[in-house]
Amino acid sequence: SQQGEEDPQALSIQEGENATMNCSYKTSINNLQWYRQNSGRGLVHLILIRSNEREKHSGRLRVTLDTSKKSSSLLITASRAADTASYFCATDNNQGGKLIFGQGTELSVKP
Amino acid sequence: GAGVSQSPSNKVTEKGKDVELRCDPISGHTALYWYRQSLGQGLEFLIYFQGNSAPDKSGLPSDRFSAERTGGSVSTLTIQRTQQEDSAVYLCASSPGQGGYYEQYFGPGTRLTVT
Repeated sequence: SQQGEEDPQALSIQEGENATMNCSYKTSINNLQWYRQNSGRGLVHLILIRSNEREKHSGRLRVTLDTSKKSSSLLITASRAADTASYFCATDNNQGGKLIFGQGTELSVKP
Repeated sequence: GAGVSQSPSNKVTEKGKDVELRCDPISGHTALYWYRQSLGQGLEFLIYFQGNSAPDKSGLPSDRFSAERTGGSVSTLTIQRTQQEDSAVYLCASSPGQGGYYEQYFGPGTRLTVT
C-alpha cells in the first residue's frame, strides 16, 4: 500500500517561476527521498533528508521535512523547461531500505 | 561507469504465458530492489535482496511472482501464468548498501504488456 500522498497531482508553471510539491506520509520514517522521472524513463535520485534534519539544499532544490506533521516539501527555484517531469517522494520506514513511494506530482514547465 | 540495465525494454506476452525479466545492477552494489509501476497502483515495492541474506518478498502480489539473484549480482524476476493486471513497468534498482540511507539507482524499466 502507498505510504505517501502528494499534492498537487499536476502542476503547470512558466519558466522562471518556483514550483512547490508536497508529500505527506503516515508512519514514522528514517529518511525521505525525492526522485524525478522523465516520461518513459527510470527514476533519478534528487535528494535525501534524514528524519533528524529539517531542511536541505541541493542546487536549485530545497527540501523541508516536518516529522511532527509527517510532511515534506520540494521546492524547485527558477524552473526551466527541462524540469518538466514527474516527482516522487519516497520514505524509508526502517524495513531494510525498501522505499514506499507517493503517487507523484506531474510538473510541466512552459517555456 | 555503467548504470543499472534491464532487459528486455519491452515485452508483450499472451495471458497465461510465463515471462522473465532481467536486471543487471551496478557492479559492487550489494542491495537490489524490484518495483512495479502501473497507472492504478503507482510505484509498488516487490522484493529486495541484500548480500547473502534472505530476500524480503513482502511486496510480491501473488505466488505467481518470484525472483532470484545469482552470485550476488544479476537478478531475474519471473511471472508465471501472466494475467492482464500484471501489465506494468517493472523497475529494478540497486544501492551500495543496506538501508534507506543510500540512494537507489534505477534502471530504465521493462514495460510488460499482457494481452
